[in-house]
Amino acid sequence: NAGVTQTPKFQVLKTGQSMTLQCAQDMNHNSMYWYRQDPGMGLRLIYYSASEGTTDKGEVPNGYNVSRLNKREFSLRLESAAPSQTSVYFCASSDGGGWGVRLGTQYFGPGTRLLVL
Amino acid sequence: GEDVEQSLFLSVREGDSSVINCTYTDSSSTYLYWYKQEPGAGLQLLTYIFSNMDMKQDQRLTVLLNKKDKHLSLRIADTQTGDSAIYFCAESRRFGAGTRLTVKP
Repeated sequence: NAGVTQTPKFQVLKTGQSMTLQCAQDMNHNSMYWYRQDPGMGLRLIYYSASEGTTDKGEVPNGYNVSRLNKREFSLRLESAAPSQTSVYFCASSDGGGWGVRLGTQYFGPGTRLLVL
Repeated sequence: GEDVEQSLFLSVREGDSSVINCTYTDSSSTYLYWYKQEPGAGLQLLTYIFSNMDMKQDQRLTVLLNKKDKHLSLRIADTQTGDSAIYFCAESRRFGAGTRLTVKP
């Protein structure tokens, strides 16, 4: 099992360009998440999908869109990249709700490092 | 609002014990988690504790939970250089900023 995979690993964009970050999991998990990690701020949830066909905003959704293409894949799109979106982006998946209601260990991908100039 | 707070840095000598502290505000969390992030990698679950427990021990790791004070700690006994990483506390919906543990030989 590959676990959670993300592509690309690195990307440099110019302000205003668009791109899609891809994420896939092979653990048959219901829930998937997109986070951004910035120095001194930990992980902040951008969007999550509790199950196939549903998506919900997290803490910092502005400037992003997501698509839960099927149970395996959850993509994050930046329509018009801004320097403030320079960050490391992590995708994660978990069984069940993924939050405190029951044990929902999250499995993380290796991350995508994005630089917006 | 809800928050999870951790100190950002901790430095210890090899063989000593490390204690990483965390405070949280969401009292509804059923589980609390510790994740470890090694350089250039994603987070990996290290351990977790159910909210009605005070302590959980797992080999060199001891998790203490003070639910009244909403304080969580992770103790690593006999800390090794391979334990150098960033450690994240997490509750219901939020992660702390992470504590960078540096282990000096």
